[in-house]
Amino acid sequence: GAGVSQSPSNKVTEKGKDVELRCDPISGHTALYWYRQSLGQGLEFLIYFQGNSAPDKSGLPSDRFSAERTGGSVSTLTIQRTQQEDSAVYLCASSLVPPGTGYNEQFFGPGTRLTVL
Amino acid sequence: DQQVKQNSPSLSVQEGRISILNCDYTNSMFDYFLWYKKYPAEGPTFLISISSIKDKNEDGRFTVFLNKSAKHLSLHIVPSQPGDSAVYFCAASGGGSQGNLIFGKGTKLSVKP
Repeated sequence: GAGVSQSPSNKVTEKGKDVELRCDPISGHTALYWYRQSLGQGLEFLIYFQGNSAPDKSGLPSDRFSAERTGGSVSTLTIQRTQQEDSAVYLCASSLVPPGTGYNEQFFGPGTRLTVL
Repeated sequence: DQQVKQNSPSLSVQEGRISILNCDYTNSMFDYFLWYKKYPAEGPTFLISISSIKDKNEDGRFTVFLNKSAKHLSLHIVPSQPGDSAVYFCAASGGGSQGNLIFGKGTKLSVKP
């Protein structure tokens, strides 16, 4: 695979339902990040995985949001009991250079556009 | 409170002229600054970066300038081309942000033929 892939590309759901968003990072990249971009806003950091370390969850907006990364590769972002304010584009990125060792070029997937009705 | 600010939501430039996109930051501990370019329905793509120990980095038509005393950086595109029309995000790393990048809200650049 050439780049970061995400699925689905679009997701429409009803308020109160749970959704799962998937990210396949670039093979060999040790770090994986989730961001979201709400309308008219910049990219908001959600969660970060680095190797086998405990994830940095400091950006998750509420306990309805969770993410896991299985086998150090694929990641799933889960939003429980979705609310209308969760509507946004959810972007996943991966990077090869661990933080603290140089600049942190992140490669982004195309995103999942989530619409909560 | 925003640590990275792009105060111009949009910029319109004539083809062939210079585009200057500005970014201000508040955290003096940031160690790298990056510019990303985003087309509609695509993820952001990396454009150019600069270390906090430098004041200029150039790559083809793109140059980034860093003024640490003013906590300001700018991206210059010259000459601008219609294909440069996109949203440009300024981002910063370090300064306690762990591995994630802190992004500005973006500036939408329109280059008119």
